[in-house]
Amino acid sequence: QVTLRESGPALVKPTQTLTLTCTFSGFSLDTRAVCVSWIRQPPGKPLEWLARVDWDDDKYYSSSLRTRLSIVKDTSKNQVVLKMTNMGPADTATYYCARQSSGTSCRVGMDVWGQGTSVTVSS
Amino acid sequence: EIVLTQSPGTLSLSPGERATLSCRASQSVSSTYLAWYQQKPGQAPRLLIYDVSNRATDIPDRFSGSGSGTDFTLTISRLEPEDFAIYYCQQYGTSPLTFGGGTKVEIK
Repeated sequence: QVTLRESGPALVKPTQTLTLTCTFSGFSLDTRAVCVSWIRQPPGKPLEWLARVDWDDDKYYSSSLRTRLSIVKDTSKNQVVLKMTNMGPADTATYYCARQSSGTSCRVGMDVWGQGTSVTVSS
Repeated sequence: EIVLTQSPGTLSLSPGERATLSCRASQSVSSTYLAWYQQKPGQAPRLLIYDVSNRATDIPDRFSGSGSGTDFTLTISRLEPEDFAIYYCQQYGTSPLTFGGGTKVEIK
């Protein structure tokens, strides 16, 4: 069974750095054509893709948030960690991680999602 | 960056009716790399359709996808009570990946 679970602080202060962890099971990020993305959703707003790390350690970022994001994988722990610097109130959102894998590439829909973790930015 | 525009913003229909949702891309979507997701309140999105027209695992056949290039459609042939939700399209052929703004399908 494939599962993903997000974890991290529920509250961060403005200007702080947010660190979120996606812990997954049922698959390996060492396997060809397996990738994990982070997506967020502010309250009442649409989904926004943030970043992705691939099995071969290629990394991709949102154009608008590229300078604030970093994504890393730890295959020994089955985890993907997202860091976002200089947090502000507009970053208040539910943050999800999700898997992309088709056996041949990561150009495929996100078939399994975590439940999401809510982050509020406030002083 | 490929911008996806979904219309209408809200669709008010009755159970049993047909729903047609549109997703238009600002430039041609690479190959068939477009997906549709369903999201209900308080839940994570669920993959419905990938590669424009392929249903994901356990998705009923009343959901179908079509289109190419810059114009894509999700059709729900006969709305069931559990289908009232928000639907998002997403392209994954070109980085950065992008989502549309969503269409809410509500009970009329």
